[in-house]
Amino acid sequence: DTEVTQTPKHLVMGMTNKKSLKCEQHMGHRAMYWYKQKAKKPPELMFVYSYEKLSINESVPSRFSPECPNSSLLNLHLHALQPEDSALYLCASSPYKGGNTEAFFGQGTRLTVV
Amino acid sequence: KQEVTQIPAALSVPEGENLVLNCSFTDSAIYNLQWFRQDPGKGLTSLLLIQSSQREQTSGRLNASLDKSSGRSTLYIAASQPGDSATYLCAVSHSGPDSNYQLIWGAGTKLIIKP
Repeated sequence: DTEVTQTPKHLVMGMTNKKSLKCEQHMGHRAMYWYKQKAKKPPELMFVYSYEKLSINESVPSRFSPECPNSSLLNLHLHALQPEDSALYLCASSPYKGGNTEAFFGQGTRLTVV
Repeated sequence: KQEVTQIPAALSVPEGENLVLNCSFTDSAIYNLQWFRQDPGKGLTSLLLIQSSQREQTSGRLNASLDKSSGRSTLYIAASQPGDSATYLCAVSHSGPDSNYQLIWGAGTKLIIKP
């Protein structure tokens, strides 16, 4: 199983809503990542969890709140988003052990903020 | 600061041709380099990963090379097919104690294979 599964695939939310994006992998990977991707741009790193601990927060606004409940799951909680936050949100994982950093991506959640 | 460049930004070739996509990076102290494919509105699919100690990797019709000293990698696609149409991105994982294995991305090459 080399899959990273993201749900939902599409999400439309108002600026006052609270929603969550979910990511799951069962490859035993110990690093998990959230990326944001705007159209025709490369992914931008938001957060990195290694061994279930937040190791990188790329100065992301507090309206985005990550959570790593266990080694297989990664959530991104969304609250009071702005229309400019509309983007494709990608989750990725990598083994991390032994320096193996090969990244595997999910299919993304297309988020639209109205 | 590491910068990754992919040229050209777009490429259109007839079906059946062999082609080369280019990726260059400014800091040769990389840990590895990874090539990805992205279809419109979809996630990224890992194609090949080359460790810094390797010169090339092959998977089917794809061959990726790495020349650290010149800061270049190429992705060679043999006998191109319309299904190869996608955006191809390269990303380097930067070595160093503070890098935490972050990926530094090129902007991608949009490839169109004409039937």
